[in-house]
Amino acid sequence: AQTVTQSQPEMSVQEAETVTLSCTYDTSENNYYLFWYKQPPSRQMILVIRQEAYKQQNATENRFSVNFQKAAKSFSLKISDSQLGDTAMYFCAFMTRMNRDDKIIFGKGTRLHILP
Amino acid sequence: GAVVSQHPSRVICKSGTSVKIECRSLDFQATTMFWYRQFPKKSLMLMATSNEGSKATYEQGVEKDKFLINHASLTLSTLTVTSAHPEDSSFYICSASAPGYWGGVYYEQYFGPGTRLTVT
Repeated sequence: AQTVTQSQPEMSVQEAETVTLSCTYDTSENNYYLFWYKQPPSRQMILVIRQEAYKQQNATENRFSVNFQKAAKSFSLKISDSQLGDTAMYFCAFMTRMNRDDKIIFGKGTRLHILP
Repeated sequence: GAVVSQHPSRVICKSGTSVKIECRSLDFQATTMFWYRQFPKKSLMLMATSNEGSKATYEQGVEKDKFLINHASLTLSTLTVTSAHPEDSSFYICSASAPGYWGGVYYEQYFGPGTRLTVT
């Protein structure tokens, strides 16, 4: 069975700093999909970034980038120039495939506080 | 595109009553929808997968007679919490599956804004 582990329950950084959120996962599959979701205080789930396992290039979306280490089964999220609006719960997530009825496996989350 | 709504956004009901939560895909058809439950400061727990026109598939440990799911159309799934009790108080989130970033080959889940249920 696939599992997703986020070892940092809570983090705080100063505004404009760079922060890295850790995520490890376990699977026997060779191809799969990894995601980071953001859940701000409004509790709306927002997709931040996605990565296909067969792609070696790390995904980036503006200030958000990932460090995908397939052999180590590690998928960390780096937030550069952090902003107050980045304060949220961040969930690392895994999908074996992206078919219509495939389930998302979520980690327990990291609560990130951006301090003014 | 790919907007999912939930109604109501919050509801308070008395113990022993039933409450219905609606999940709608506003600008696309969703054959598959998912229902999650989230406790405070916790992760999302998948309750069931809802497929249009067929019975929902419940996750292990979820009482199907307590959490009734009906996916009667391609844009609407409902979750009814029957004979609600205070321990059913939680945040309920739905998502709908639709062709995503890479087009029709891949599907992504689009999340609703959630419904806060309080049972008194």
